[in-house]
Amino acid sequence: EPEVTQTPSHQVTQMGQEVILRCVPISNHLYFYWYRQILGQKVEFLVSFYNNEISEKSEIFDDQFSVERPDGSNFTLKIRSTKLEDSAMYFCASSGVGANNYAGELFFGEGSRLTVL
Amino acid sequence: GESVGLHLPTLSVQEGDNSIINCAYSNSASDYFIWYKQESGKGPQFIIDIRSNMDKRQGQRVTVLLNKTVKHLSLQIAATQPGDSAVYFCAENDTGRRALTFGSGTRLQVQP
Repeated sequence: EPEVTQTPSHQVTQMGQEVILRCVPISNHLYFYWYRQILGQKVEFLVSFYNNEISEKSEIFDDQFSVERPDGSNFTLKIRSTKLEDSAMYFCASSGVGANNYAGELFFGEGSRLTVL
Repeated sequence: GESVGLHLPTLSVQEGDNSIINCAYSNSASDYFIWYKQESGKGPQFIIDIRSNMDKRQGQRVTVLLNKTVKHLSLQIAATQPGDSAVYFCAENDTGRRALTFGSGTRLQVQP
């Protein structure tokens, strides 16, 4: 069964350092997303990406964040200068095109846990 | 307002019983609703969805009910099994947006 894969599963970094979280979405999907979940809290939308550009982003996704699809298979989230409050589980998701041109069912990866010290 | 914090509402049921998990949403413009299951240490897993032109949809052992008048969504799980133990989130979306807005979650504990 196709799945979204994420690396690393856990990353520990010092405040102010740059981190890159990597995702391989399901191969025939067209929409890509990053969500995050602070421990014990709800899942929060960060950004969606379609046709090689950001289609939507939340208030959380400020100038410290960027996304990229450097090749035909990877989708990355970069945090330029990490803060303590960036500590969270980051989930990548992808979807195809659903009925009536909705984005369709989202398939989530297992997540990358980021710990900022 | 948003619900934050470390303590999720918990529903504890006996194996074999039916479970009902509820969710209230606030955006009147939302027209697509999804239930996700999240097991410990894993990503959310799609269970079932429903569009606003329906009030009920059934899957395998699960039923979602939508009441747009009071902005309420529920997930019914029939014959609950230990493997159903997880945190369940509702999520909503409105036309033209890609972002899903997740609810704060309910922990389901199934007692054998």
